[in-house]
Amino acid sequence: AQKVTQAQTEISVVEKEDVTLDCVYETRDTTYYLFWYKQPPSGELVFLIRRNSFDEQNEISGRYSWNFQKSTSSFNFTITASQVVDSAVYFCALSEAQWGNQFYFGTGTSLTVIP
Amino acid sequence: GAGVSQSPSNKVTEKGKDVELRCDPISGHTALYWYRQSLGQGLEFLIYFQGNSAPDKSGLPSDRFSAERTGGSVSTLTIQRTQQEDSAVYLCASSLAWTGVQDEETQYFGPGTRLLVL
Repeated sequence: AQKVTQAQTEISVVEKEDVTLDCVYETRDTTYYLFWYKQPPSGELVFLIRRNSFDEQNEISGRYSWNFQKSTSSFNFTITASQVVDSAVYFCALSEAQWGNQFYFGTGTSLTVIP
Repeated sequence: GAGVSQSPSNKVTEKGKDVELRCDPISGHTALYWYRQSLGQGLEFLIYFQGNSAPDKSGLPSDRFSAERTGGSVSTLTIQRTQQEDSAVYLCASSLAWTGVQDEETQYFGPGTRLLVL
């Protein structure tokens, strides 16, 4: 079974629309970490956020926001007022227990923002 | 330099040869990470160093893979007896630390080493 599921393979939105990228994870650990990474067409990975399992507070950073809900095992990522530069593949990841151990990536969601 | 650098940027090798990939983290960053990205396996985490120590090496794909870090700085990822399935982009990242403080854990990625095993 997939530890991290990103069900949306590809999403296209028109510039200025809001878009939410879904991430559902599976773990039996009580301590774990969730991540989002961005990979633009240039190929270089960009780390976006790390959230630990004890902190369910939603995070907002500019146009980006993350909604962590343990009850549904989800860590969704919303981009508000999308821009063309947001076009990229976005990866969600889970690290169980101790960092460096049992690390799983989702298959990624390719986002295209149309001008 | 200001960012994470990796060398070589591209490497073509023959099956069965050994290769060594190098990562120079940002100066002062104590945490260093190796990942790889391939068409077949997607994005994978390989190993993490805190200082010169790797807490867990179970992410390395096989015993042909090894990694070390010396002086809390440069890291090398060595692949022995390369196989075609080792063809991938090998990515290195570094962060200031692993402390529970978001800003200190932000990872900065290098451009990657593209490895092709013929």
